[in-house]
Amino acid sequence: KQEVTQIPAALSVPEGENLVLNCSFTDSAIYNLQWFRQDPGKGLTSLLLIQSSQREQTSGRLNASLDKSSGRSTLYIAASQPGDSATYLCAVTGGGGSNYKLTFGKGTLLTVNP
Amino acid sequence: EAGVVQSPRYKIIEKKQPVAFWCNPISGHNTLYWYLQNLGQGPELLIRYENEEAVDDSQLPKDRFSAERLKGVDSTLKIQPAELGDSAVYLCASSSGTGGKETQYFGPGTRLLVL
Repeated sequence: KQEVTQIPAALSVPEGENLVLNCSFTDSAIYNLQWFRQDPGKGLTSLLLIQSSQREQTSGRLNASLDKSSGRSTLYIAASQPGDSATYLCAVTGGGGSNYKLTFGKGTLLTVNP
Repeated sequence: EAGVVQSPRYKIIEKKQPVAFWCNPISGHNTLYWYLQNLGQGPELLIRYENEEAVDDSQLPKDRFSAERLKGVDSTLKIQPAELGDSAVYLCASSSGTGGKETQYFGPGTRLLVL
């Protein structure tokens, strides 16, 4: 069974700080890894998708890395802003005997203080 | 382009009552997913459709939950009867391909409270 763990569970930083969110998964036989953002009372928005053959993806101030062999990914947010406050979820496709199943972590609740 | 649409957004019912949730996926997306998200947890897959076929319903509690996707477009998830533990957010997602490797696009969810 694939399991995804996210550390820390919550993070509070002052505006402008660079920060790193961590994700680990138990089965490295994945197709891809995604980082999602979830705002309170809303659905999930896909931020970055890294295919298993890739090492990183970048979008604006966001950079996600993937080390498939060690089962780890990081999401780097540069120059954080109050609007970045949300829950960030890591999810992997595959592993644990399922080709397509998307397995989520519990998320990291990020608060960026003005 | 419209995103995944879900209704209702919120629902409050008493236990033992039936409830239904509706999802309209992004146009052209042939794969549709229903997820359950408990407070403080990540979403967990309940059922996955490819067109009108339920290709994985192994996590769906079939004694009280049912789903359908008529004509391979809209989908309905039903709970009958609802229990207190069913209080959660029910998310619908869709993707353009099959096999689950493509990005899934999520709707805003239906927040269910069972009293």
